[in-house]
Amino acid sequence: DTEVTQTPKHLVMGMTNKKSLKCEQHMGHRAMYWYKQKAKKPPELMFVYSYEKLSINESVPSRFSPECPNSSLLNLHLHALQPEDSALYLCASSQEGTGAKNIQYFGAGTRLSVL
Amino acid sequence: AQTVTQSQPEMSVQEAETVTLSCTYDTSESDYYLFWYKQPPSRQMILVIRQEAYKQQNATENRFSVNFQKAAKSFSLKISDSQLGDAAMYFCAYRSSGNTPLVFGKGTRLSVIA
Repeated sequence: DTEVTQTPKHLVMGMTNKKSLKCEQHMGHRAMYWYKQKAKKPPELMFVYSYEKLSINESVPSRFSPECPNSSLLNLHLHALQPEDSALYLCASSQEGTGAKNIQYFGAGTRLSVL
Repeated sequence: AQTVTQSQPEMSVQEAETVTLSCTYDTSESDYYLFWYKQPPSRQMILVIRQEAYKQQNATENRFSVNFQKAAKSFSLKISDSQLGDAAMYFCAYRSSGNTPLVFGKGTRLSVIA
């Protein structure tokens, strides 16, 4: 089973709203990732969690707040977003470590529209 | 910093034919991993094939195979017997041997013509 589940699939929010994206995996992976993907572009890394601790933050604005409550769950809390934040948000997970088993598996993403 | 270049923004292939997608990368490391991901309109990034740099043998997965030229820093993907379901955006990606994030190319959009 290489499934990463993301909810919701679609989200429309106003600039003053607070919402959260959720990501779940049951593969025993200890590294989890958030990416942002604009249309016809590659994914851009936002955050990496390793053993439930934030290990990489790619200078993402504070209106995006990640949270890793446990090894299977990853959340992305959204607040006061801008229209340019509209994008596909992808979650991925992988085994920890430096070897060949560190393969990232992706969820289907949440399509976010900010009005 | 490592970079990945996909020089073909769009490609097309007739159903049942073979197509090759190009990827080059730049790195000073000797140990690393290379990947091809497929992203169909359904949006999910799906791992197609991977290659460990220390392996000389080219990876194959059913109809998908790679031509890995380490000295030339080239990593092309060959799709044989193309099917309509192969239509997607294909991303080439690089990862260092350490626990580092993926570096993606800009992608190649593949169309399959019936």
